[in-house]
Amino acid sequence: AQSVAQPEDQVNVAEGNPLTVKCTYSVSGNPYLFWYVQYPNRGLQFLLKYITGDNLVKGSYGFEAEFNKSQTSFHLKKPSALVSDSALYFCAVRGYGQNFVFGPGTRLSVLP
Amino acid sequence: DGGITQSPKYLFRKEGQNVTLSCEQNLNHDAMYWYRQDPGQGLRLIYYSQIVNDFQKGDIAEGYSVSREKKESFPLTVTSAQKNPTAFYLCASRRWTNRDLMNTEAFFGQGTRLTVV
Repeated sequence: AQSVAQPEDQVNVAEGNPLTVKCTYSVSGNPYLFWYVQYPNRGLQFLLKYITGDNLVKGSYGFEAEFNKSQTSFHLKKPSALVSDSALYFCAVRGYGQNFVFGPGTRLSVLP
Repeated sequence: DGGITQSPKYLFRKEGQNVTLSCEQNLNHDAMYWYRQDPGQGLRLIYYSQIVNDFQKGDIAEGYSVSREKKESFPLTVTSAQKNPTAFYLCASRRWTNRDLMNTEAFFGQGTRLTVV
């Protein structure tokens, strides 16, 4: 069965510092991995995805993610955090059929 | 504007009452999904539909029902059998092509917050 883990409930980082939000996955077959962001009382917004190719994937709002097959990880990164990046972040993997399996989410707080 | 619209944004349900959440998309997407979000539990799949007039149960379908009479619409009914319906409900849609069957991301609506009173 496909599964996703986000080991940190909360990540705090100072504005201007680099940020990392961690994600590990378990899949059978090729992994198709996604990151979404959710602002309070809103739906999820797509940030980026890994399907195949370069291990470093660039996405929206300056975010990128590094796919590491040996460590089964897909960590989300940004070189310089903004206060406006504060939100809930979800990692997801393609699940059975055409569905997604989401991680529990990591709350990112960027402190001014 | 192209997008996916959920209504209402807030909904209150009395004990024993059925309520229906609306989800409409004009993205010409074939696949549509309903998720339930509870604090600390991420998103859990309730129902999904890949084509008109067909839908499948997700992980937590009990107490819910759906219909897919039109490609654009995928309403969710929360029935009185759902004992703990207070949650944030998210609808999503996704493009479906044979060429990149696995690869497309989902687009989400803004959500409906349902509260039992």
